[in-house]
Amino acid sequence: EDQVTQSPEALRLQEGESSSLNCSYTVSGLRGLFWYRQDPGKGPEFLFTLYSAGEEKEKERLKATLTKKESFLHITAPKPEDSATYLCAVPPGRGVNTGFQKLVFGTGTRLLVSP
Amino acid sequence: DVKVTQSSRYLVKRTGEKVFLECVQDMDHENMFWYRQDPGLGLRLIYFSYDVKMKEKGDIPEGYSVSREKKERFSLILESASTNQTSMYLCASSLYGGPYEQYFGPGTRLTVT
Repeated sequence: EDQVTQSPEALRLQEGESSSLNCSYTVSGLRGLFWYRQDPGKGPEFLFTLYSAGEEKEKERLKATLTKKESFLHITAPKPEDSATYLCAVPPGRGVNTGFQKLVFGTGTRLLVSP
Repeated sequence: DVKVTQSSRYLVKRTGEKVFLECVQDMDHENMFWYRQDPGLGLRLIYFSYDVKMKEKGDIPEGYSVSREKKERFSLILESASTNQTSMYLCASSLYGGPYEQYFGPGTRLTVT
């Protein structure tokens, strides 16, 4: 069964304290891994797509990396405004119709950055 | 920029009422999705559509229906609202055939009393 597991569930950091969030997946034939940021009471905001092991994407203090079994979202010198829930998602494995592709979402990591 | 809009940010309805939630996207996406999000349960797919007048059940379709009469618009209907349908409802869209990232609207917080 296709699964996405995120850890930790919650993470509390001091401003400037770098850390990483983990997203592990079990899906055959990865066709992309997506990271989202969600602020309380709002819809998820798309951040990155990663397609192959070794790929990296960066945006401000965030860097996403991908291996064959997991992805990391590294947060360097975070600020309070980085506080949010971070979600990752993958399309289901090969063999499933590729046109109208659903996504399998993890339950997210709640990040709180204190000043 | 992709823009997905939802008709209401907050909605309060009574048990038994018929509720319409509307979603509009301006990026000519073929695929549209309705999710609900509840604490501890994450995002759960209710229905999705890959073309006008086409619809597919998601993981939790019971108590909901959908309508897609135009490509840019996807409506979620609660035929007879119940208190267990109190939730955050999120609409999303994506391109048919990929790339598969979905773009979300701001959400509608529905409370059924």
